[in-house]
Amino acid sequence: GNSVTQMEGPVTLSEEAFLTINCTYTATGYPSLFWYVQYPGEGLQLLLKATKADDKGSNKGFEATYRKETTSFHLEKGSVQVSDSAVYFCALMLRGASKIIFGSGTRLSIRP
Amino acid sequence: GAVVSQHPSRVICKSGTSVKIECRSLDFQATTMFWYRQFPKKSLMLMATSNEGSKATYEQGVEKDKFLINHASLTLSTLTVTSAHPEDSSFYICSATPKTAPLDEQYFGPGTRLTVT
Repeated sequence: GNSVTQMEGPVTLSEEAFLTINCTYTATGYPSLFWYVQYPGEGLQLLLKATKADDKGSNKGFEATYRKETTSFHLEKGSVQVSDSAVYFCALMLRGASKIIFGSGTRLSIRP
Repeated sequence: GAVVSQHPSRVICKSGTSVKIECRSLDFQATTMFWYRQFPKKSLMLMATSNEGSKATYEQGVEKDKFLINHASLTLSTLTVTSAHPEDSSFYICSATPKTAPLDEQYFGPGTRLTVT
């Protein structure tokens, strides 16, 4: 079936550290891929997305590249800030569908 | 940006009672709203897709008679958990897609934590 697997948290880093949160997927066809972020007390917000292979989504210093050959969409940021502390969800949507399939989320905590 | 609210943010109810959760799109009209359920340390699971003016489409394994969904207007959808039991305790999240937007453009509410005692 269709699914998303992401690394379990929590992930704790110091400010200005490099961040990678791994995400792999299983899907029929060629899905669109997303990263959502949930800040404390708020709803999920779309962070970035990519709709086809080799596309790179980017926003707020975060990047993720749609890798069809490895079925991955790892989230990266070169220098994290305390304000990046949140829960990050990797997700996919099949073409022509409205259903978003989410990974289990990774809690990120950044120490000053 | 587009804002979705949920009410209440937390609710505690006794086993056997019903509880209603509201999802509102505050600054846009939404023809489609979605209801998700999130278990601790688990992903969000889609429960149902709600289209304004028509019956909701439920995902496999979700009891439609237990989780009643009404999408009476372009800005409001409600989820009623009927005859709630402790196993219904969970975090319920809604999302909404603006009328003119593609379905992958979903704006999420902050969630409602339901505790059934």
